[in-house]
Amino acid sequence: AAGVIQSPRHLIKEKRETATLKCYPIPRHDTVYWYQQGPGQDPQFLISFYEKMQSDKGSIPDRFSAQQFSDYHSELNMSSLELGDSALYFCASSTRQVSYEQYFGPGTRLTVT
Amino acid sequence: ELKVEQNPLFLSMQEGKNYTIYCNYSTTSDRLYWYRQDPGKSLESLFVLLSNGAVKQEGRLMASLDTKARLSTLHITAAVHDLSATYFCAKFQGAQKLVFGQGTRLTINP
Repeated sequence: AAGVIQSPRHLIKEKRETATLKCYPIPRHDTVYWYQQGPGQDPQFLISFYEKMQSDKGSIPDRFSAQQFSDYHSELNMSSLELGDSALYFCASSTRQVSYEQYFGPGTRLTVT
Repeated sequence: ELKVEQNPLFLSMQEGKNYTIYCNYSTTSDRLYWYRQDPGKSLESLFVLLSNGAVKQEGRLMASLDTKARLSTLHITAAVHDLSATYFCAKFQGAQKLVFGQGTRLTINP
């Protein structure tokens, strides 16, 4: 079965640079979620989109922005990167009909040096 | 604000032993999730517990939910090395946001 796809899987950036993470949800899934997991931490909800509209927002820094496109893929844009942004970034997807089940992608490991 | 707390946070046990991970939460809503995470990997869904009294089992893992006590347990029976991982419980705050416990890092020694 198709799963959530994230790219790139690994990304190394320097401080103050910009990064873009991409997420391709499971086919026919209309809701996308982004989570950030720091080293040794639990995942923290950043933001979610339903039908291309922002549907919920968590502890996402102002330096980050995200959107969902017409093909339902989503991008997380991160600017002015800081060392503390180094983390695993997970995307998850679900359908409105079964919104209680989120399927997680493999994650993007971002390292800021 | 929903709080989800797990204990213990670290657990080292021997193969063949039984143990339980506890997950307490601060709301009275139903539905609780258990995930497994191997180092550097994604979150693997283990169980979705939808209502009070729900019990689910898969191999050596069994999860239960007591909404009145705001407690879920993940019981490990006759542990084997392959179960070494970090286990998270999680609940929804609102319709979209999953709130995770701190995670229990389980190490099973031969």
